[in-house]
This record gives sequence, C-alpha cells and structure tokens, in this order.
Amino acid sequence: AQSVTQPDIHITVSEGASLELRCNYSYGATPYLFWYVQSPGQGLQLLLKYFSGDTLVQGIKGFEAEFKRSQSSFNLRKPSVHWSDAAEYFCAVGADSWGKLQFGAGTQVVVTP
Amino acid sequence: NAGVTQTPKFQVLKTGQSMTLQCAQDMNHNSMYWYRQDPGMGLRLIYYSASEGTTDKGEVPNGYNVSRLNKREFSLRLESAAPSQTSVYFCASSENVGTELFFGSGTQLSVL
Repeated sequence: AQSVTQPDIHITVSEGASLELRCNYSYGATPYLFWYVQSPGQGLQLLLKYFSGDTLVQGIKGFEAEFKRSQSSFNLRKPSVHWSDAAEYFCAVGADSWGKLQFGAGTQVVVTP
Repeated sequence: NAGVTQTPKFQVLKTGQSMTLQCAQDMNHNSMYWYRQDPGMGLRLIYYSASEGTTDKGEVPNGYNVSRLNKREFSLRLESAAPSQTSVYFCASSENVGTELFFGSGTQLSVL
C-alpha cells in the first residue's frame, strides 16, 4: 500500500531564511507527487506536482521540489521565506490517473520576524 | 471564479442527528471527492466519484453516504452523527485526466 511520511510536524523559520520540508513516500512504481499548502481557515491549494521528466519541479509562490527516486523523497524548498508562507504544508501521493490521493500528516510552518 | 463551493461552513450536531454536506463545482470536472481532516492525520478520503453516476468508498467510509446528484454536485450525508465524526470536511474535484485536486474551503463539524 502507498504511504506518505512527513517527518517534521512543526518547523519554525525566520523571515528571509531558507525552508526545506521533507516528504518520503512508499510506493512500488513511480507515483504522482504533490505539495499542497493550507492557510488558516482555507482549503488546500496546489503548490506543485511531479508526474515525470525533470526531477526538479518549480511551483507557485517561489517554491520548488526535487524528486529523488533512490531516496523515495520529494522535498519542498524555498530559498527565502516570507511571513505569508506561514501555513500547513501537505505532501501527497497519487497512483491513479484521476486523482485519488494519499496525504501526509502535514508540516506546520511558523515564520518569525 | 467560484471553483468548489461547500455548505455549510460550520455545523454543530448532537449525537444521533443527521445532516447533509453540500458540494458543487463549476469547473466541469468529472471526478469529485470528500475528505476529512483531523489533527496529525492529514486528509483521509471518505468517498469519491470518478464520474457522474458512480461512487466508491475511500479509506474511511463508515458512517457516511454520498450522492452524485449530477456532474456539478456531490453531497455527503451523516445518517446518525457520532462524536468521532467531529472533523473538518473538504470537498474536492479534478478532471478525469491529470490529478490536480481543487478544494473547497471546508466545513467544520462538531458532534456533541
């Protein structure tokens, strides 16, 4: 069965510092991989996705993620964090072409001045 | 651009009461989903509808029923609410090709 692990429940980062959120997955084949962001009181918004091809994926809001097959990882990065990046971030894995996803437990990001 | 619209936004129920959560999308998507979100557990799929006229169980279907009323609307019903169903519920939709999910803003449900 597929699974997604986000090892960090909570991360605090200073504004302007870099951010990396970890995601590890377990799946037999190459899955579809996603990062979503949830701002307080809001639904989830897609940051970026990986289906195939270039393993470094660019997303919205200055985020990028790198797919590493050998490590079964899909870590999310941002070079310089803004206060508006404070939110909860979810990694998700999809095996089906029409989008039934398995979500990780989420990582809460707090941005300090 | 309404996207995915859920109603109500908040609801408090007593144990044993019933209610229906409504969801509608205006993006002409074929697939629709209901997830619940609980602290430390991420989102878990309750039911989904791959296309109009079909519904299937997800990871946590017990205690819920769904209806795909038409292509736009997908409702979730709690027949006899239990405290374990206290959660935030999200409806989502996607095209049948490609897997990007578009989410509604959620329904916060408390069962006392």
